[in-house]
Amino acid sequence: DTGVSQDPRHKITKRGQNVTFRCDPISEHNRLYWYRQTLGQGPEFLTYFQNEAQLEKSRLLSDRFSAERPKGSFSTLEIQRTEQGDSAMYLCASSLRGDTEAFFGQGTRLTVV
Amino acid sequence: AQSVTQLGSHVSVSEGALVLLRCNYSSSVPPYLFWYVQYPNQGLQLLLKYTSAATLVKGINGFEAEFKKSETSFHLTKPSAHMSDAAEYFCAVTHPGGNEKLTFGTGTRLTIIP
Repeated sequence: DTGVSQDPRHKITKRGQNVTFRCDPISEHNRLYWYRQTLGQGPEFLTYFQNEAQLEKSRLLSDRFSAERPKGSFSTLEIQRTEQGDSAMYLCASSLRGDTEAFFGQGTRLTVV
Repeated sequence: AQSVTQLGSHVSVSEGALVLLRCNYSSSVPPYLFWYVQYPNQGLQLLLKYTSAATLVKGINGFEAEFKKSETSFHLTKPSAHMSDAAEYFCAVTHPGGNEKLTFGTGTRLTIIP
């Protein structure tokens, strides 16, 4: 078990471009979460999957954001038409239903220039 | 609704001194509470968690926290600070039985003075 893996670790993009991040959870974990963390703040919940079903989305997740977990394993988070305000650390976490502990990945730091 | 307030965005203590990081929560139902640590440009690592069993919870690296319902608090302590404790610490709350998403505080940056 190698833990939660996120790719890439860093991404610099120009405003208006699309970006996609990937998260590979711990293999037996059926729950997957995306959080966003801006400088000097705590992580904020974006969305949650149980297996392949996306069960909750935060109001922070505008229509430029889309997340998928097609086979209930890895997940992708896409941001279309990036804006400077999207610059943040995007964190993925996974857990087993019924287990209170969520394991976090190292995060993807996005910088929009 | 649930929320967490961390008093003190920056705390400095001398090496070997007591560490006390404060966390107060608001929750309409009995909460589960967590402390996470984050090192620069890293993800979050769980230090300890309260899940309605013992109110005094011991975690990794010598940290512990006490759940006090009457004070709606879950403060993090360590008897003797070490240089390696310098990091950002986050308190978080969730409700059991639902999707168990975490609501985090704004964090406390701990600096250790040699």
